[in-house]
Amino acid sequence: EAGVTQFPSHSVIEKGQTVTLRCDPISGHDNLYWYRRVMGKEIKFLLHFVKESKQDESGMPNNRFLAERTGGTYSTLKVQPAELEDSGVYFCASSQTAGAGGYEQYFGPGTRLTVT
Amino acid sequence: GENVEQHPSTLSVQEGDSAVIKCTYSDSASNYFPWYKQELGKRPQLIIDIRSNVGEKKDQRIAVTLNKTAKHFSLHITETQPEDSAVYFCAASPSGGSYIPTFGRGTSLIVHP
Repeated sequence: EAGVTQFPSHSVIEKGQTVTLRCDPISGHDNLYWYRRVMGKEIKFLLHFVKESKQDESGMPNNRFLAERTGGTYSTLKVQPAELEDSGVYFCASSQTAGAGGYEQYFGPGTRLTVT
Repeated sequence: GENVEQHPSTLSVQEGDSAVIKCTYSDSASNYFPWYKQELGKRPQLIIDIRSNVGEKKDQRIAVTLNKTAKHFSLHITETQPEDSAVYFCAASPSGGSYIPTFGRGTSLIVHP
C-alpha cells in the first residue's frame, strides 16, 4: 500500500512569490490534515479536511494560505504571497477515521519550504 | 486550547542505556496520547499510543506511561540502539471538538554506539 506522498520535497522561493504544495493521501482515507513545523518547534496544525469539506481550519495563519481538496482525493496548499516566516516543513497526514478515542494519522515525508 | 510541553529537547545516551522523554498537557479532556518517531530525512511514524483508560502500555523495548491526575505521560526506551536515534514527538488529542492532536516540540535522541 502506498503511503502519503507530498510534492515537491523541497521548494526555495523568494518573498512575494507563490508556491503550491501537493499531498496525496492514502487511498480511502477521508481525513486529510496539513501541519507545519518551524525548525525546533512543535508540529503545528493548520487544517483538516473530511473528504472535500474543510472540517477545521482554525490553524491557518492568515488569508495568504489557501487549501483545497477538490473531489476529496489529493489536496493542495497554496501560499500567496510567501513571506519569510512561512519557511518550515509542511506535513500532510491522512487517517481513515477521526473521532473520540484516538486514531492513527499517517504522515507524508513533508515539503521543506524556504522563503528567501 | 491544549498545550503540550515536552522535555528534554535533546537527549544523548550510550547504547544499551535507557531513555525517558516526558510530556505534560493542560487539557483534562484529552484522552489519546500518541508518540511519533521521525528518523532523519524520513516521515513521522506512530510508534506507540495510549488512551486515557490505561496507565501503561508496552511494546518490546518501548513503553508509555500516563498519569491523568498529574496530566503527564512519558516514553521509555530500554536497551537503546543506534537505530533509535531520531526525533520523538508526543501529542495529546481531545475527546471532543475536531479531535486534532497538539504536538510537543520534539526530543532529539542520540544513541552513541
